[in-house]
Amino acid sequence: RKEVEQDPGPFNVPEGATVAFNCTYSNSASQSFFWYRQDCRKEPKLLMSVYSSGNEDGRFTAQLNRASQYISLLIRDSKLSDSATYLCVVTPSGTYKYIFGTGTRLKVLA
Amino acid sequence: GAVVSQHPSRVICKSGTSVKIECRSLDFQATTMFWYRQFPKKSLMLMATSNEGSKATYEQGVEKDKFLINHASLTLSTLTVTSAHPEDSSFYICSAPGGGISSYNEQFFGPGTRLTVL
Repeated sequence: RKEVEQDPGPFNVPEGATVAFNCTYSNSASQSFFWYRQDCRKEPKLLMSVYSSGNEDGRFTAQLNRASQYISLLIRDSKLSDSATYLCVVTPSGTYKYIFGTGTRLKVLA
Repeated sequence: GAVVSQHPSRVICKSGTSVKIECRSLDFQATTMFWYRQFPKKSLMLMATSNEGSKATYEQGVEKDKFLINHASLTLSTLTVTSAHPEDSSFYICSAPGGGISSYNEQFFGPGTRLTVL
């Protein structure tokens, strides 16, 4: 089993739709969680950190479920510019190392 | 926010040559940096952790004699791909934890180096 797993997609959704991604992780001692966005041939960009209490940033909401070992990302009112690959990142306890998920491709259609 | 640069952004070389990639933290110090490799349509795979003033730590399956890492100062880490072959063609990305700049173990990524070995 991979350490961090995501549905690779692609998710093709119309503009304005709400879309949700899940990510599961295998190490229960993981301490930090992030969602990154990566555009084609570019470096990953931090979308948001994921806190235990959940957090929201505009149209984006992230949730962490430690008991079930998954994190989620919800995107409301999808825009064409949201088209990208969304990478789930988990940090093992006691390190700065990032373990990346396989990424989920999102394509928002006009 | 913290800025990490990489140089070169793109390199094309002949098989058998060595290629050096530089990663710099521009406005903060980084005792640790990370090197990743990404193949087309795949996710980032951690290759090694670069430690300032000491040896790098390589992930399982990564040849340390093939991918030489030097972290000679608090703002510079270099990755040298020795005797490159076509299968080494990939997107190489470095990152550095923001430490005091970031409050949540956030890493800051360089723009990446696209290596093509002919």
